[in-house]
Amino acid sequence: GAGVSQSPSNKVTEKGKDVELRCDPISGHTALYWYRQSLGQGLEFLIYFQGNSAPDKSGLPSDRFSAERTGGSVSTLTIQRTQQEDSAVYLCASGGQETQYFGPGTRLLVL
Amino acid sequence: AQTVTQSQPEMSVQEAETVTLSCTYDTSESDYYLFWYKQPPSRQMILVIRQEAYKQQNATENRFSVNFQKAAKSFSLKISDSQLGDAAMYFCAYGMEYGNKLVFGAGTILRVKS
Repeated sequence: GAGVSQSPSNKVTEKGKDVELRCDPISGHTALYWYRQSLGQGLEFLIYFQGNSAPDKSGLPSDRFSAERTGGSVSTLTIQRTQQEDSAVYLCASGGQETQYFGPGTRLLVL
Repeated sequence: AQTVTQSQPEMSVQEAETVTLSCTYDTSESDYYLFWYKQPPSRQMILVIRQEAYKQQNATENRFSVNFQKAAKSFSLKISDSQLGDAAMYFCAYGMEYGNKLVFGAGTILRVKS
């Protein structure tokens, strides 16, 4: 079956612009996660959605970051007024059977 | 807070040989899950193997096996008969009960020499 998909694959933006990153989870998975991977680093948790429960936003680095999940499926991560330190790979994962399955990520470059 | 430590930034192995990647973690929980993920240059995170903490038997997936030492909080990955396609960044990760976020180590770059 289809895995987790993310779009765009790459995004280049100018400092101060807003960006939206999209994640389509595996069908039937109720859990959805966003992580950030800075150059040469491990993965940093950002936010987690589980069904209709309030999301766990404890990993969001600032109020410029927000995410929503519509209809319990597709999720969008929004970064407002992007900064150069936001440059990273943003990975989405969906969860089933105690395991998280990752998408290919969106590489964001802020100039 | 839980932490995961991978003390080997980089490892090399000759094709067809065996290599072991180290991982230690810190937690006060008794029930949890441990994972090894592989990230090739394509950046797609691929699940290699999973271990439930309540299981004493070490997990095995074909050429990949783990040495899970719960008391020592150690979770190493052994790759047997290494292949060129095994070259990648390997991440060790810790997760609590279903649905919780994963905590990742910093990763180990594995190079496979032909």
